[in-house]
Amino acid sequence: DAGVIQSPRHEVTEMGQEVTLRCKPISGHDYLFWYRQTMMRGLELLIYFNNNVPIDDSGMPEDRFSAKMPNASFSTLKIQPSEPRDSAVYFCASSTGRGFGMNTEAFFGQGTRLTVV
Amino acid sequence: AQKITQTQPGMFVQEKEAVTLDCTYDTSDQSYGLFWYKQPSSGEMIFLIYQGSYDEQNATEGRYSLNFQKARKSANLVISASQLGDSAMYFCAMRVSYNFNKFYFGSGTKLNVKP
Repeated sequence: DAGVIQSPRHEVTEMGQEVTLRCKPISGHDYLFWYRQTMMRGLELLIYFNNNVPIDDSGMPEDRFSAKMPNASFSTLKIQPSEPRDSAVYFCASSTGRGFGMNTEAFFGQGTRLTVV
Repeated sequence: AQKITQTQPGMFVQEKEAVTLDCTYDTSDQSYGLFWYKQPSSGEMIFLIYQGSYDEQNATEGRYSLNFQKARKSANLVISASQLGDSAMYFCAMRVSYNFNKFYFGSGTKLNVKP
């Protein structure tokens, strides 16, 4: 398996523009997570899905952020409009949920480094 | 509330020596899992080791072992025979059964291995 695939790897955009980050989870994984990593706040969980359904979006910072998972093999995280404080590395991760699911680690993508100028 | 605490922002260790990275957690749930991840400077997140709350033995994976002290709610990572390639950020994470697939991450520890 190719692992979790994120695109783009790097994104530079101007303030006010719409940004869409993409993620392809590992085939067969029924959980998908979006994280944001910054020096100040560390690794924050933004939202996660189970079987394409959003379970917990309490980490989404503002209404400018939205995430979708139209099918089991694709998810997007959209920021509209983008602001400089959104600059961060955004990770997508996926996992299975065997039993209670606790013994299944999350597999991370390479991340998207977003810079909003 | 669930919480993971890593109190060591940065650590140094001499090559070939062992090092312990601290992690304490807080949960009222009886069923949970604890994980350690490594993040090298290249940025990817690499899973290292897992410990379940009901596991009686401490987990080991090669040079990595997890010193699990349930009563103290600690899950320290021990790296034996440190190598230069071990220099990285290390994150402790937890999953709990009531919200069983939500990962809680600590703030990380930056490990530097000196030659």
